[in-house]
Amino acid sequence: QVQLVQSGPEVKQPGSSLKVSCKASGSSGSGSTYHWVRQTPGQGLEYLGRFINVPVSAPKFQDRVTVTADRSTNTAYLELRSLTSDDTAVYYCTYSVHLWFFDFWGQGTLVTVSS
Amino acid sequence: EVVLTQSPAVLSLSPGERATLSCRASHTLAKNALAWYQQIPGQAPRLLIYDGSSRATDIPDRFSGSGSGTDFSLTISRLEPEDFAVYYCQQYGVPWAVSPLTFGGGTKIEIK
Repeated sequence: QVQLVQSGPEVKQPGSSLKVSCKASGSSGSGSTYHWVRQTPGQGLEYLGRFINVPVSAPKFQDRVTVTADRSTNTAYLELRSLTSDDTAVYYCTYSVHLWFFDFWGQGTLVTVSS
Repeated sequence: EVVLTQSPAVLSLSPGERATLSCRASHTLAKNALAWYQQIPGQAPRLLIYDGSSRATDIPDRFSGSGSGTDFSLTISRLEPEDFAVYYCQQYGVPWAVSPLTFGGGTKIEIK
């Protein structure tokens, strides 16, 4: 079993940037994949990007999202820039043993973008 | 990108009844590359099924997945009280150049 613990809720100003962390315990190490997904009332579940050995962002978010991971501390990070109210969502990190679907999920981080 | 259409949006059933949920993809998914998740309000989604029909670890056998190509189903043979939740499908069956990973809009199973 893998447990993912994410950083706490945030309130951000429009135009600012966000960084969410996700620490894994019980992970199998270098062969695993971290993905990031967000959930909004309007758009449902949206895929943001992943980190296997290199970061890859979904095309819709390519200019604003950076995903990274520090394997020495089993911690993944999501950075999202140029925030707007449409980025108000719960952000989830996930851990994939099988690469392309999401075996384990963090508890979610609520991000509110408001002036 | 691949669009996943789930139906119905809401399913009203009683405990003990059988539930059948549908997920239709806009593109053919290679190798039945479709997963199903359950989300209870206030919680993160939980993986139920992957590769179309393989149950994830510790998932009860009343949950089963089937289908291929563009049409997939999730069946719950007999609904337990804890099964009333929202269910999402997710595809990973086309090259990244065609589509990122995508989710369906969800089916809510509510108590009748």
